Amino acid sequence: EVQLVESGGGLVQPGGSLKLSCAASGFTFSGSGIHWVRQASGKGLEWVGHIRDKANNYATAYGASLEGRFTISRDDSKNTAYLQMNSLKTEDTAVYYCIRHSEVIDIWGQGTMVTVSS
Amino acid sequence: QTVVTQEPSLTVSPGGTVTLTCASSTGAVTTDYYPNWFQQKPGQAPRALIYSTSNKHSWTPARFSGSLLGDKAALTLSGVQPEDEAEYYCLVYHGDTWVFGGGTKLTVL
Repeated sequence: EVQLVESGGGLVQPGGSLKLSCAASGFTFSGSGIHWVRQASGKGLEWVGHIRDKANNYATAYGASLEGRFTISRDDSKNTAYLQMNSLKTEDTAVYYCIRHSEVIDIWGQGTMVTVSS
Repeated sequence: QTVVTQEPSLTVSPGGTVTLTCASSTGAVTTDYYPNWFQQKPGQAPRALIYSTSNKHSWTPARFSGSLLGDKAALTLSGVQPEDEAEYYCLVYHGDTWVFGGGTKLTVL
């Protein structure tokens, strides 16, 4: 079964850091790109960024609103992608999803909740 | 910054047909924008429905179809079912970044 499982969410203080993981199974992870998307409670989806596969030099791109605070990486040996979030703000509070992008954007994880609060 | 606009809400009767649209502030949405459509029901993760304008995933019901309508991407539901009540989001590609529309809340009434 093709699956993505996010982890690492939790409560963090403003200004803090958090690293989310996206563990993949059931497909060839090394040949797929991964997107990160977030959704604040009661709000719409926001594209956070993506990382391409090795064939595309692991290129990354990010949403304009993130101001360089977030970094996406991956470890193909562990079938896992990561989202490093620094200088967190209360407005970063959201459910964070990872999504597979092989030939197409298709499989979503169930999400992990990040709460930024003092 | 690119803004992608969808109808905030639409209402359709069971068995009816409804079209949701997706417009870009940068101009016409074309196939080069690779429009995707996703469905999200309350408490659930979104689910992919359409990719690259009009292509369905293996799990996408036949009543869903994607197209370009004028200068917008469009998602048409024909023979709407009660279970189609959900939020629908488009996603378009803009110069190595992707942008979601604000979503359309579809009510089946």
